[in-house]
Amino acid sequence: GESVGLHLPTLSVQEGDNSIINCAYSNSASDYFIWYKQESGKGPQFIIDIRSNMDKRQGQRVTVLLNKTVKHLSLQIAATQPGDSAVYFCAEEKTSYDKVIFGPGTSLSVIP
Amino acid sequence: NAGVTQTPKFQVLKTGQSMTLQCAQDMNHNSMYWYRQDPGMGLRLIYYSASEGTTDKGEVPNGYNVSRLNKREFSLRLESAAPSQTSVYFCASRYRGPLVPQHFGDGTRLSIL
Repeated sequence: GESVGLHLPTLSVQEGDNSIINCAYSNSASDYFIWYKQESGKGPQFIIDIRSNMDKRQGQRVTVLLNKTVKHLSLQIAATQPGDSAVYFCAEEKTSYDKVIFGPGTSLSVIP
Repeated sequence: NAGVTQTPKFQVLKTGQSMTLQCAQDMNHNSMYWYRQDPGMGLRLIYYSASEGTTDKGEVPNGYNVSRLNKREFSLRLESAAPSQTSVYFCASRYRGPLVPQHFGDGTRLSIL
């Protein structure tokens, strides 16, 4: 399940299940979005991006969905593996404003 | 292919000391960035450089200076360290295009006592 603790929200999933990580973005004018994965002690790693003229984009085992009506972004990970355990966060950008906003992230824990 | 390399990985300073964090990328990227990451918060941009010879302030520039030494290297300097600057610092880069970076280093963990 998903819970909000003192720090990051945590999502625990069973190995092999699908994971859905959500992000509510703040600026309705944002036109570019990225999902990152950050493992403990490492820098953020680019996973997938999507522009506002799309509502879905697929990569290898990952899908990003964009719902501009409710300013919501989600990352779906298929057949979650122990190596997927990490913090996942989204970033939004309105290119003409030259400003990027990063979310604080969700901690994904995969149960073997 | 090293990507984005940061040095040092860890550092402890006393209040008032100065130091420079080094960053280099080997991907021929035009844009480079310095971020700080604090617990429970999103990354915050300190400075960025859209191209060699240019630098711009980000969201939290106070207490920091930067130098884009050449296309590969972008350094961050703390002139007089303060405990509020205790954080994890990330350098990042992107070839060009949107402001949001695509490649990050593994960070410098800085503690100011």
